[in-house]
Amino acid sequence: DQQVKQNSPSLSVQEGRISILNCDYTNSMFDYFLWYKKYPAEGPTFLISISSIKDKNEDGRFTVFLNKSAKHLSLHIVPSQPGDSAVYFCAASAPSSGSARQLTFGSGTQLTVLP
Amino acid sequence: DVKVTQSSRYLVKRTGEKVFLECVQDMDHENMFWYRQDPGLGLRLIYFSYDVKMKEKGDIPEGYSVSREKKERFSLILESASTNQTSMYLCASSSYTGGRNEQFFGPGTRLTVL
Repeated sequence: DQQVKQNSPSLSVQEGRISILNCDYTNSMFDYFLWYKKYPAEGPTFLISISSIKDKNEDGRFTVFLNKSAKHLSLHIVPSQPGDSAVYFCAASAPSSGSARQLTFGSGTQLTVLP
Repeated sequence: DVKVTQSSRYLVKRTGEKVFLECVQDMDHENMFWYRQDPGLGLRLIYFSYDVKMKEKGDIPEGYSVSREKKERFSLILESASTNQTSMYLCASSSYTGGRNEQFFGPGTRLTVL
């Protein structure tokens, strides 16, 4: 059972426009959410995160929105640039006692920004 | 900058071979993780470790084992490689401090089992 879902395998956006990537989760214990970006043949790189006590976090062109009641988060990229073309993974984390916090990842969305 | 390195970028092995994948991090992180990434499935956790000699199973541990003898090094072992273990393997590390939960990833090892 997938606890973190990214229902859009791919998204194409024109350069300069907004990209909106979506993610849904089912586990109400998740209290921290992250977005990673991955280029081919490279490891994922951390992009932005949000704690469940917030509903928005912004970092430059990237903004993450969290809707806890809907168990939904989204990543907005404005304006989109060709270099943003990559696979974006949503991840979520729940508290754990005495052990490392694990991340549960979605299946990823391939974003293509067209020049 | 956190650096996580993996011993090989590409690896080709035969069915039944024993395979070692090595991961080293240089930031004194307590936690280390092994994932595999397959198309349409995202990243799935195989094993993780929160201290030297400590290990816990992730979501898909079958067919794998791990070793953490030193804090900076975490090894993934395929005891007898099978074709369904052909995948991209990613190592990551993280720290307890600062209340942040992001993991830092290595470049990945593309393993092909023939």
